Amino acid sequence: GQNIDQPTEMTATEGAIVQINCTYQTSGFNGLFWYQQHAGEAPTFLSYNVLDGLEEKGRFSSFLSRSKGYSYLLLKELQMKDSASYLCAAGAGSYQLTFGKGTKLSVIP
Amino acid sequence: DARVTQTPRHKVTEMGQEVTMRCQPILGHNTVFWYRQTMMQGLELLAYFRNRAPLDDSGMPKDRFSAEMPDATLATLKIQPSEPRDSAVYFCASEAGAGGYEQYFGPGTRLTVT
Repeated sequence: GQNIDQPTEMTATEGAIVQINCTYQTSGFNGLFWYQQHAGEAPTFLSYNVLDGLEEKGRFSSFLSRSKGYSYLLLKELQMKDSASYLCAAGAGSYQLTFGKGTKLSVIP
Repeated sequence: DARVTQTPRHKVTEMGQEVTMRCQPILGHNTVFWYRQTMMQGLELLAYFRNRAPLDDSGMPKDRFSAEMPDATLATLKIQPSEPRDSAVYFCASEAGAGGYEQYFGPGTRLTVT
């Protein structure tokens, strides 16, 4: 079966750093994805980790530990526009993604 | 600017009516997904196609939902008859099939069944 857990909501201050954690249990795991979804909009791709370690992409970084079934998304220098839901998704088999319910991040001044 | 398009963007219908949602994937993308998103369940995979062939539709209620790809530029999701519990946002996504697994989502169809 597939199970993805991530916090429901988080709040952080503009300019700060926030870490959004995700744990997963997935049969046939082959990669971990993070998507960003602004209210009323479609999800957009942020990052993909297939190997253990940290992938950095500008202000966003994503980490994966396959042995622990754990990932996190790190957002630095938070901006108001980063207020959104962040969806963790585990890839399995061919092309299938199982999404978590998302973490709603609120960035406050 | 290549993007996935979906029609209609909003649909309000009465219980028992047929609903058809359409999706045009990004040109050249050979894998197409249908998802449903609700507050309670989050984003759920309903079905997906590769090279127009259905690969998996196990997430879809078979008795009322059907998904097809009549050609490479059109995917359809049909609900007949619709029920209030079908109210959700339905997203289509496409993927280039190059192994990167980055899926591009359309804007979604917000369905309300009364």
